[in-house]
Amino acid sequence: QVQLVQSGAEVKKPGASVRVSCKASGYTFTDHYIHWVRQAPGQGLEWMGWISPNSGGTNYVEKFHGWVTITRDTSISTAYLELNRLRFDDTAFYYCARSRERIGDAFDIWGQGTLVTVSS
Amino acid sequence: DIQMTQSPSTLSASVGDRVTITCRASQSIGTWLAWYQQKPGKAPNLLIYKASNLENGVSSRFSGSGSGTEFTLTISSLQPDDFATYYCQQYNTYWTFGQGTKLEIK
Repeated sequence: QVQLVQSGAEVKKPGASVRVSCKASGYTFTDHYIHWVRQAPGQGLEWMGWISPNSGGTNYVEKFHGWVTITRDTSISTAYLELNRLRFDDTAFYYCARSRERIGDAFDIWGQGTLVTVSS
Repeated sequence: DIQMTQSPSTLSASVGDRVTITCRASQSIGTWLAWYQQKPGKAPNLLIYKASNLENGVSSRFSGSGSGTEFTLTISSLQPDDFATYYCQQYNTYWTFGQGTKLEIK
């Protein structure tokens, strides 16, 4: 069964960092790009960036440059999203998702989402 | 950046109705458009890719059409499980989502 399983909910203070994991199973991890998408409570979907699990290459939306880092560990088929210098408005669900077939493609498999709450 | 605008933002309909949701792109995206369904507390689910291609396992009651800047998602006969929020997404240049259309029971 093809799936992406994410790590559990996190509560962090402003200024802290958090790392969310996304473990792939049921397919060859290096065959599909992994994307990260953010959704604030009650709001829409916002694409953040992608990683090529094969090369490790990344691309980010301009607004996330410098405080978001996407990495991967191919030995355990896992991608990571690290958020630094957290602010209250970073409270959101963070989803990983897989590109269907090629880099420029729709997202056919999604993780269940990880809620990151930033609270003092 | 390519902006995606969905209409309506909210749609009230009854079981058995045929409904259409529209998505407009701020510039031409060819047919690089997808539609997703999202239910409360769940991740989005891919319904349609490349504007009109039905994803495996998705009911044939869903269909998509369009090219360039205007696209539609049609649900032919609403079932109770269809009441959810729907998003379009362009992937011609990076990825951008529409703001969503909430489909409610009338």
